[in-house]
Amino acid sequence: SQQGEEDPQALSIQEGENATMNCSYKTSINNLQWYRQNSGRGLVHLILIRSNEREKHSGRLRVTLDTSKKSSSLLITASRAADTASYFCATDNSGYSTLTFGKGTMLLVSP
Amino acid sequence: NAGVTQTPKFQVLKTGQSMTLQCAQDMNHNSMYWYRQDPGMGLRLIYYSASEGTTDKGEVPNGYNVSRLNKREFSLRLESAAPSQTSVYFCASSAGQAGNQPQHFGDGTRLSIL
Repeated sequence: SQQGEEDPQALSIQEGENATMNCSYKTSINNLQWYRQNSGRGLVHLILIRSNEREKHSGRLRVTLDTSKKSSSLLITASRAADTASYFCATDNSGYSTLTFGKGTMLLVSP
Repeated sequence: NAGVTQTPKFQVLKTGQSMTLQCAQDMNHNSMYWYRQDPGMGLRLIYYSASEGTTDKGEVPNGYNVSRLNKREFSLRLESAAPSQTSVYFCASSAGQAGNQPQHFGDGTRLSIL
């Protein structure tokens, strides 16, 4: 069953704009991760945020986590055409041993 | 550094045939995973191996078997392929438990069953 659900399903923006994707989940988590998948490739890990953290940055990426609302957001600033990909959130189960992935947001950045 | 290597990259099978998907990682990771990805469904966990010598079922294990051959290799076997198993299969590995560690993915095996 899907734990995380990303919103929107698809997002189309111009280069230089910011892109925001959201993830909602149902049950309590220990950590939440974001991944990127380019067409025809495997997933690439972007960032891990722990349940006691509210915000985390990595380059042009900013992730927030609101455990009271069971939601997270991924912000990509100053988007580039190379950011075109699908983005997935993943939450751990209570035993840490596996991740459950959402269905993803497809981001298209046009030059 | 190769990371996670999956073979084959593409395969077409007939219903009822069997095959084994191979996965190897060179990062000395303890944990390995098999997922399937279907359109609109995201990734679903088939089986995982938290450490060498152990395997456990994931969300969708029916119709599959796995073998953790050694620390590097984790194979997925379809004993009698069915059209519903047409999918893209991804292998992943992590240094430790999935929730605490990033997972590293291979580029997938695209499997069609006619």
